[in-house]
Amino acid sequence: NAGVTQTPKFRILKIGQSMTLQCAQDMNHNYMYWYRQDPGMGLKLIYYSVGAGITDKGEVPNGYNVSRSTTEDFPLRLELAAPSQTSVYFCASSWTETDQPQHFGDGTRLSIL
Amino acid sequence: RKEVEQDPGPFNVPEGATVAFNCTYSNSASQSFFWYRQDCRKEPKLLMSVYSSGNEDGRFTAQLNRASQYISLLIRDSKLSDSATYLCVVMPSGSARQLTFGSGTQLTVLP
Repeated sequence: NAGVTQTPKFRILKIGQSMTLQCAQDMNHNYMYWYRQDPGMGLKLIYYSVGAGITDKGEVPNGYNVSRSTTEDFPLRLELAAPSQTSVYFCASSWTETDQPQHFGDGTRLSIL
Repeated sequence: RKEVEQDPGPFNVPEGATVAFNCTYSNSASQSFFWYRQDCRKEPKLLMSVYSSGNEDGRFTAQLNRASQYISLLIRDSKLSDSATYLCVVMPSGSARQLTFGSGTQLTVLP
């Protein structure tokens, strides 16, 4: 049982490049989330999903897109990478909207240069 | 004012010491409260929920003061393995969409 798996773990992008951060969970959770964590800061919600085919914006969605074609997968796409998107990205999942803990992946460290 | 505020520390304490962290929140309608632990360069993990009556889990005690809008975490008999960043987390409306994380308090337990 792998839990929440994120790939890649590290990535360096050039300004203007695009990439997709992958997230998969094998717990059959309906709810999935993408957060970013800047140095010395708390996590901020980028996007979330309440089930396959349903996504919605969080606190900081600008510059990102998501899709949820299956229960298991919740990829996050950066279309035109900007230095402000340098951060650590965490994907999480939960059974219900109020379920704690949320199960987090190991994170993706992304640098935009 | 930040929605959730924590003293960033760092708190450097000797093994065996008792240390307390406080966290204040701005939304008086907040319903659920948690402490998460985050090790260096790792993902956050739930340490404990915080209940109105206060709750204890081994060496850890969490308290909630709704009137003053603050949450506390007390760690007794600190261990080296307690070294981490402790995140105060508030759920304003019972919805994880509005889960708000504090920026964390860094604890280092020294031998």
